[in-house]
Amino acid sequence: SQQGEEDPQALSIQEGENATMNCSYKTSINNLQWYRQNSGRGLVHLILIRSNEREKHSGRLRVTLDTSKKSSSLLITASRAADTASYFCAFPHTGGFKTIFGAGTRLFVKA
Amino acid sequence: DTEVTQTPKHLVMGMTNKKSLKCEQHMGHRAMYWYKQKAKKPPELMFVYSYEKLSINESVPSRFSPECPNSSLLNLHLHALQPEDSALYLCASSQTGGNEQFFGPGTRLTVL
Repeated sequence: SQQGEEDPQALSIQEGENATMNCSYKTSINNLQWYRQNSGRGLVHLILIRSNEREKHSGRLRVTLDTSKKSSSLLITASRAADTASYFCAFPHTGGFKTIFGAGTRLFVKA
Repeated sequence: DTEVTQTPKHLVMGMTNKKSLKCEQHMGHRAMYWYKQKAKKPPELMFVYSYEKLSINESVPSRFSPECPNSSLLNLHLHALQPEDSALYLCASSQTGGNEQFFGPGTRLTVL
């Protein structure tokens, strides 16, 4: 399958804890992106990490990329109830216009 | 304006109806996308337009017909749909291929 793999499929944590989601892929990539989707809504772009970058931060988000292992992780620190959502990794397929999405991680943050 | 708008938000249609979904962006993006998303699944790419030309059709049945009237607008014409076509239809745009995509809120389609 071209689809990226994500784990865990679902994650339930308490407010204030950290949440880590992992993504693996099979092809060569130029960049890898992470998106958030609140229930039944559109996706929101969170962060893009290029293939020559190992780590990137944005607020409470930290993304790592290991191209040798074809994997990426998204860390959300000090989680809040408002972080409850589905998180998808995504990467452009060869040629650029086709973006492959991972299966997603459903995060539930309990207040 | 960093918003992608979609209309309608909800649509219920019978299998013999003809309807259209609309998408608009004013960010000057040259790539626009249609995705279909089933519950608890990732978005599945349907079509990509680049510079107003159809560049990708992911083997979508002909009962779905995309149209890009200009660089800001994207339509999806629906005809003779099946109940299994019920899903959330998402429009997105990006500066060019491979970059971050901006998504609209989606149209929740129910086919009876």
